[in-house]
Amino acid sequence: AQSVTQLGSHVSVSEGALVLLRCNYSSSVPPYLFWYVQYPNQGLQLLLKYTSAATLVKGINGFEAEFKKSETSFHLTKPSAHMSDAAEYFCAVSGKGAQKLVFGQGTRLTINP
Amino acid sequence: DAGVIQSPRHEVTEMGQEVTLRCKPISGHNSLFWYRQTMMRGLELLIYFNNNVPIDDSGMPEDRFSAKMPNASFSTLKIQPSEPRDSAVYFCASTRRGLAGVDEQYFGPGTRLTVT
Repeated sequence: AQSVTQLGSHVSVSEGALVLLRCNYSSSVPPYLFWYVQYPNQGLQLLLKYTSAATLVKGINGFEAEFKKSETSFHLTKPSAHMSDAAEYFCAVSGKGAQKLVFGQGTRLTINP
Repeated sequence: DAGVIQSPRHEVTEMGQEVTLRCKPISGHNSLFWYRQTMMRGLELLIYFNNNVPIDDSGMPEDRFSAKMPNASFSTLKIQPSEPRDSAVYFCASTRRGLAGVDEQYFGPGTRLTVT
């Protein structure tokens, strides 16, 4: 069985500040982990994914995430927030042999000018 | 590639009417998923197919909802009769599922359904 917990349904940061969105997972098999972004009135778009290669994964738009097995975490970061980063972000988990992705509840990121 | 295609993009209907949502997955993908997104409940998986066969429909709210995938390039989600509480954005997603498990899903733009 797999599950995802995103800590904080709403995160607000200033433009230029560090973005940190938290995701913890539970998986009975080696996990595959994903971050998706959803802009207003659009579908979900893949930001980055971890599939058992390098633990530090770089994605689009300057985002990256680090897989930490000991902490069962896959937090998303970006060194400097931009106004265009305002969106909802979803963490998801799958795994070897898994049939589907399990999504977290999402974190809405607001950027303050 | 055109990506996942959904139609219509917006649908407004009256309570009691039948609604049919359509999805064309990415060519070569063998798994297809239907999701519903609302403010209250977030993103919910309704049903998914592998190789056109329904695998898990435990997320379908009730018998008013049905989904079909007659071939690898087309799927429908039908609501009959529709109710105001069905108002939501419905997403279709597809992926290539291999022996190693599920890779990333590619989402369509969604259908915004409003039932009055």
